[in-house]
Amino acid sequence: DIVMTQGALPNPVPSGESASITCQSSKSLLHSNGKTYLNWYLQRPGQSPQLLIYWMSTRASGVSDRFSGSGSGTDFTLKISSVEAEDVGVYYCQQFLEYPLTFGSGTKLEIK
Amino acid sequence: QVQLEESGPGLMQPSETLSLTCTVSGFSLTSNGVGWVRQPLGKGLVWMGTIWAGGSTNYNSAVQSRLSISRDTSKSQVFLKMNSLQPEDTGTYYCARVPFDYWGQGVMVTVSS
Repeated sequence: DIVMTQGALPNPVPSGESASITCQSSKSLLHSNGKTYLNWYLQRPGQSPQLLIYWMSTRASGVSDRFSGSGSGTDFTLKISSVEAEDVGVYYCQQFLEYPLTFGSGTKLEIK
Repeated sequence: QVQLEESGPGLMQPSETLSLTCTVSGFSLTSNGVGWVRQPLGKGLVWMGTIWAGGSTNYNSAVQSRLSISRDTSKSQVFLKMNSLQPEDTGTYYCARVPFDYWGQGVMVTVSS
């Protein structure tokens, strides 16, 4: 199985500052078709996960442009510019290159 | 608009069979697949399986021997059945439209004697 490893944030993050969440995969997620099979989700407290980013860097419909995804085949970053109170929650990366689909363990964001 | 809603029993006994239903609206099951994801209380997300638009399925090998996902396209429903339940199967079960862009609100299942 592909293992997804997420980094921690130096919580709490001051409101208005930027925050970067890292995710590393045990195998390259770059397919021969040129696409990278990585998603990012936010799960706000008490809510279902929400898709933020797919194909490593494409924002999902309705997602603020404060969120951006980048990376290589195995190392990925979700950047949140100017964090706001509504960004609080747990962020997950997920690979969908191979079965079983696997998620990172989550990165919690708290705002000061 | 796209909606998914899980339903099923909240409390199960060990060794019983869990049956959950995901009722969808706003899209067709023959156009999009549906996946199931489990989240133990206070923990992370675990993909369990997906039924694709064509009707084929993929399962997580960790539960494959106990899990079955099926659907009734006429009723816009997807079903999860998992047998031989154990306390470690306790958690919130979500269904989500492939590519996991829309999720249901989840249903909490507790396995306890």
